[in-house]
Amino acid sequence: TQLLEQSPQFLSIQEGENLTVYCNSSSVFSSLQWYRQEPGEGPVLLVTVVTGGEVKKLKRLTFQFGDARKDSSLHITAAQPGDTGLYLCAGVRDSNYQLIWGAGTKLIIKP
Amino acid sequence: DSGVTQTPKHLITATGQRVTLRCSPRSGDLSVYWYQQSLDQGLQFLIQYYNGEERAKGNILERFSAQQFPDLHSELNLSSLELGDSALYFCASSEPPTGTSTDTQYFGPGTRLTVL
Repeated sequence: TQLLEQSPQFLSIQEGENLTVYCNSSSVFSSLQWYRQEPGEGPVLLVTVVTGGEVKKLKRLTFQFGDARKDSSLHITAAQPGDTGLYLCAGVRDSNYQLIWGAGTKLIIKP
Repeated sequence: DSGVTQTPKHLITATGQRVTLRCSPRSGDLSVYWYQQSLDQGLQFLIQYYNGEERAKGNILERFSAQQFPDLHSELNLSSLELGDSALYFCASSEPPTGTSTDTQYFGPGTRLTVL
């Protein structure tokens, strides 16, 4: 069982649409990171959220950390083909400072 | 380009064999992390080294071992290979301030291992 559940596992939408992907857990995390991985490459950090309720924006991407620090969401506005990739969330637990990884959401944006 | 290099990019070998994957971290980074990524299991943390010492262990099999050398490059050794070991193996490095997983990790391009 994944400690961090990401949903949906797969999403294919048309260019210009909006979407939200989720990262949920029953555990509390001291911080949560979102990465994007393109085919044939390693994951690249997009953002780190630390405070419960925190919202961070990166151009058309909006990241939110849940108030209880157990979940997070990534919202993309007006998706573009360049947003295609595997989106991974990773949480840090205070107990051991290790990153716990979700299985990822594979996103395809069709032109 | 993250600044993390991994060699080789591709590796094809047979069951029962042993291979060594190499990673050079970004200049100045003291921590190296190894991950395995297969289609059905996502990104699995294997092991972390910090300045030559093992710092944390994840789901690393006994057939696998790693080390970090004085020049901070790291090697991941996989032995008695099985078909199920076929995967992408990533190395990541992070900045020195704390040496824990809370630091931003910079990933290399990965080594794709195929075991036939």
